[in-house]
Amino acid sequence: GGIITQTPKFLIGQEGQKLTLKCQQNFNHDTMYWYRQDSGKGLRLIYYSITENDLQKGDLSEGYDASREKKSSFSLTVTSAQKNEMAVFLCASRTGRSAETLYFGSGTRLTVL
Amino acid sequence: GEQVEQLPSSLIVQEGASVLINCSYTDSASVYFPWYKQEPGKRLQFIIDIRSNMERKQNQRLTLLFDKKTKHLSLHITATQPGDSAIYFCSATNSGTYQRFGTGTKLQVVP
Repeated sequence: GGIITQTPKFLIGQEGQKLTLKCQQNFNHDTMYWYRQDSGKGLRLIYYSITENDLQKGDLSEGYDASREKKSSFSLTVTSAQKNEMAVFLCASRTGRSAETLYFGSGTRLTVL
Repeated sequence: GEQVEQLPSSLIVQEGASVLINCSYTDSASVYFPWYKQEPGKRLQFIIDIRSNMERKQNQRLTLLFDKKTKHLSLHITATQPGDSAIYFCSATNSGTYQRFGTGTKLQVVP
């Protein structure tokens, strides 16, 4: 079976800092996603990518950039960390076929001081 | 865009009880509804799904009911165990490229 690996597991940043989160999958899945999980708000989509070098904005893309230089990896950049921000960022992937379930990474927990 | 609502936000039940988690969506173009579970400290994992051409699906102690007319789903968990303690998420997709998630239901099963 495959796995999705997110690094780092914990990320502490300063206000205004640019921070990068990484995600690798070995499922050979076409589509990859970045979701943000906040308590009481569920998962909100930030960016997704249907293939290498493709990027699509989600509902929460403002303040973030993404990069998909290889099929197996998808990175997310917080362009300017907001003070007191705390959230968990989840990477997920699925095959290119429609209506398939998602496989998730274990998340990166961000804390901004 | 699609809005997915989930109720209740949390519940505590005694081991052995049954629980019902409700989910509603707004986009009538949504056709696929996977549910996920997030146990404490673990990654989200798929537990059950249903397509819009079905009304009911069962997987062991999980039963998922779907009402296309009212745009409503219900997840029924019977004979709950402490291992069922988790956050449960419903989601909806129109067979496009991404799924929208509900706000989650935190279930706590106490012995």
